[in-house]
Amino acid sequence: EAGVVQSPRYKIIEKKQPVAFWCNPISGHNTLYWYRQNLGQGPELLIRYENEEAVDDSQLPKDRFSAERLKGVDSTLKIQPAELGDSAVYLCASRQTGGDEQYFGPGTRLTVT
Amino acid sequence: GNSVTQMEGPVTLSEEAFLTINCTYTATGYPSLFWYVQYPGEGLQLLLKATKADDKGSNKGFEATYRKETTSFHLEKGSVQVSDSAVYFCALNGREYGNKLVFGAGTILRVKS
Repeated sequence: EAGVVQSPRYKIIEKKQPVAFWCNPISGHNTLYWYRQNLGQGPELLIRYENEEAVDDSQLPKDRFSAERLKGVDSTLKIQPAELGDSAVYLCASRQTGGDEQYFGPGTRLTVT
Repeated sequence: GNSVTQMEGPVTLSEEAFLTINCTYTATGYPSLFWYVQYPGEGLQLLLKATKADDKGSNKGFEATYRKETTSFHLEKGSVQVSDSAVYFCALNGREYGNKLVFGAGTILRVKS
């Protein structure tokens, strides 16, 4: 069974440019999470989806970040415009309904110059 | 709020040494507790979990016991290998916490041959 797929794995952009990350969760997993992991820290939740509904986006900086999961399967996280402080690893995870284990993708390492 | 505190690293051990990584948590109610491992260049992988007090999670020679009285979930391994070198994250989760994982800052483990 395929795990959580993320792309790209690495992205380098200049500040003020837009960037997008894509995630395809494990098949059948209705819950999808986006986390941000700053260097030397643990991941922090940005947004959680239950199917296509964003049920917890309280920590998403909505002035520049947006996310969508239109058909309740794959998801895109966008930053526009990017700032230097957005440099981090962006992790996607998915969970099966009723389970408590989250399965993580390999992450996208973003560098903003 | 809910939080997880881990011992600071890096922890450097010789092969076959005994490992302990301390983890304590602050939370209301009864969270599930997890240890995740992140190998260089890879995503987070679930190492073990415990869902209620006095449960012991174990996997690959690692183990941790959910201690409600001391709000702790310390990770131990009797004999580490070079291949155990990674970053270890303690985390808590639970439905009353919005099903999101709250992570500690991570502890780097380096095992020398």
